[in-house]
Amino acid sequence: EAAVTQSPRNKVTVTGGNVTLSCRQTNSHNYMYWYRQDTGHGLRLIHYSYGAGNLQIGDVPDGYKATRTTQEDFFLLLELASPSQTSLYFCASSPGQGANSDYTFGSGTRLLVI
Amino acid sequence: GDSVTQTEGLVTLTEGLPVMLNCTYQTIYSNPFLFWYVQHLNESPRLLLKSFTDNKRTEHQGFHATLHKSSSSFHLQKSSAQLSDSALYYCALGGNYNQGKLIFGQGTKLSIKP
Repeated sequence: EAAVTQSPRNKVTVTGGNVTLSCRQTNSHNYMYWYRQDTGHGLRLIHYSYGAGNLQIGDVPDGYKATRTTQEDFFLLLELASPSQTSLYFCASSPGQGANSDYTFGSGTRLLVI
Repeated sequence: GDSVTQTEGLVTLTEGLPVMLNCTYQTIYSNPFLFWYVQHLNESPRLLLKSFTDNKRTEHQGFHATLHKSSSSFHLQKSSAQLSDSALYYCALGGNYNQGKLIFGQGTKLSIKP
């Protein structure tokens, strides 16, 4: 079954710390996305990619970098973590756009910045 | 830019009553694709149903929705609520023009009581 796997499931870091969130998909999907989920804000797009080496800026990119190293792997980097980045992060993949925008989400990474 | 509005943050219903969750959208493009995702507690969002045909009813797992381009709406309905329907519901907008990314509404939490 097609899957999106995120790691770690939970992460605690200090303010100013360096964090990398990992996402791997076995769906052979071209598109991958990083969202953060916060109460009252829903799902907000941070960065996305439509292929290895490609990177697109989402709606809330400040403080985040991303890298798509392969078709399968998409990483989210927080180089100087701040408490405002405490959130639940979801990675998702989709085969295409329009009618093919069906997202498959990972299980999420809960990040706490203290 | 594109946007999705879900007017209710929380809907509380008694089991057996009908469900209606509101979703309206804004886009300058004539062929939008609309999606409903459902997220149960401690799970990730998953696709519930989708539509891109005007005035055609789409059904899945007891829920249904009809895309009305004239009113830019895609409301989610169910005839009789069940306790297991308690979850967070997201309406999302996509198209053939935006590199696969979906614009999510803020979400509506549906709480069903016995």
